[in-house]
Amino acid sequence: QQQVKQSPQSLIVQKGGISIINCAYENTAFDYFPWYQQFPGKGPALLIAIRPDVSEKKEGRFTISFNKSAKQFSLHIMDSQPGDSATYFCAASMTETSGSRLTFGEGTQLTVNP
Amino acid sequence: KAGVTQTPRYLIKTRGQQVTLSCSPISGHRSVSWYQQTPGQGLQFLFEYFSETQRNKGNFPGRFSGRQFSNSRSEMNVSTLELGDSALYLCASSLRSGGSEQFFGPGTRLTVL
Repeated sequence: QQQVKQSPQSLIVQKGGISIINCAYENTAFDYFPWYQQFPGKGPALLIAIRPDVSEKKEGRFTISFNKSAKQFSLHIMDSQPGDSATYFCAASMTETSGSRLTFGEGTQLTVNP
Repeated sequence: KAGVTQTPRYLIKTRGQQVTLSCSPISGHRSVSWYQQTPGQGLQFLFEYFSETQRNKGNFPGRFSGRQFSNSRSEMNVSTLELGDSALYLCASSLRSGGSEQFFGPGTRLTVL
């Protein structure tokens, strides 16, 4: 019930292509869904986040699509660049009952080939 | 604004020892959360402190503890270290507990020999 499932585990995309990473959750009490980007030797950096009252949020080349009925959300990276090569994590939290506690997906290692 | 800082960045300890890690949140942030990151288990929530009180606790043994000071700085302590405690320990700060963006520090890499 507390898990967040992320796929794929790894993803290789050509420069200029679209990278798509998917996450699914079971607990309908989750109400905040952020995505983080992590480079080797660094802490995760917040990319973009969404709440269940909207179906899509876009910031620059990054878009979150959210499907409340399917309990799924995904990250789309448009015009992927080699500098986007990193590990991406989806996460979820129940802000009312669990404070700042984030439940993370397993991570996706993205490689963007030049 | 300075980001989240963690000290030390690297630590090597032996089994049975104890260790204290420190985290300074972004100025004005009152919530500090700690996470453990390992290749096998991924990112796992340890605990959250808000206004010097533990707000939430993850599924870790009592050897893992923490505290928060009046200036919002936080420390976590691991006693009787085990080999399996080798991990990247990450601290994240946010303005308040729940509902606000969390920003991570660079982490402390702990190696237990």
